[in-house]
Amino acid sequence: QQPVQSPQAVILREGEDAVINCSSSKALYSVHWYRQKHGEAPVFLMILLKGGEQKGHEKISASFNEKKQQSSLYLTASQLSYSGTYFCGTEVKTSGSRLTFGEGTQLTVNP
Amino acid sequence: NAGVTQTPKFQVLKTGQSMTLQCAQDMNHNSMYWYRQDPGMGLRLIYYSASEGTTDKGEVPNGYNVSRLNKREFSLRLESAAPSQTSVYFCASSGDGRMNTEAFFGQGTRLTVV
Repeated sequence: QQPVQSPQAVILREGEDAVINCSSSKALYSVHWYRQKHGEAPVFLMILLKGGEQKGHEKISASFNEKKQQSSLYLTASQLSYSGTYFCGTEVKTSGSRLTFGEGTQLTVNP
Repeated sequence: NAGVTQTPKFQVLKTGQSMTLQCAQDMNHNSMYWYRQDPGMGLRLIYYSASEGTTDKGEVPNGYNVSRLNKREFSLRLESAAPSQTSVYFCASSGDGRMNTEAFFGQGTRLTVV
């Protein structure tokens, strides 16, 4: 039931854009996005609850395609502070409050 | 406001020893979770508790037990530690019985089993 994330790693120069994808084989109730810096706990970015819903957080936004069980995280005009590992977490409709995470996408932003 | 507090932060165990990881939240959350994080494996759900008095298995429950002592506290026990349980353990909590609100994570417990 673990969602699948792609790509596994991304290297950007400051100011460039990136897209991280998350997909599930099960019907989803919600999609969460978190960012984790090395040696720290994951930090919440946003949650998407409805199909087609898009949320934004600074220059980071996300979309949720409920029909395809997919979500994408968009990082625009990347900053050095965006470096870290991004995780999507999904809650499947048939499994109650069980949040499972993908393997993460390591994002590196260089000057 | 402490949020989610885990103890201990670091622990070294010998194979076969037992220990309990403690987690407490002060946000009056109903749901609590235990994850383990290994390099390249993301966060894997061990056990979760949707509300006080209930617990359910996650993806990797073998070798672990949990107790939801009260609404605030959710402990994880390793009865007979094995080197494969060397990992970083995170506790998390969320507002209600469905994960439709932000999850808050503790700072993690770094466990080494030798």
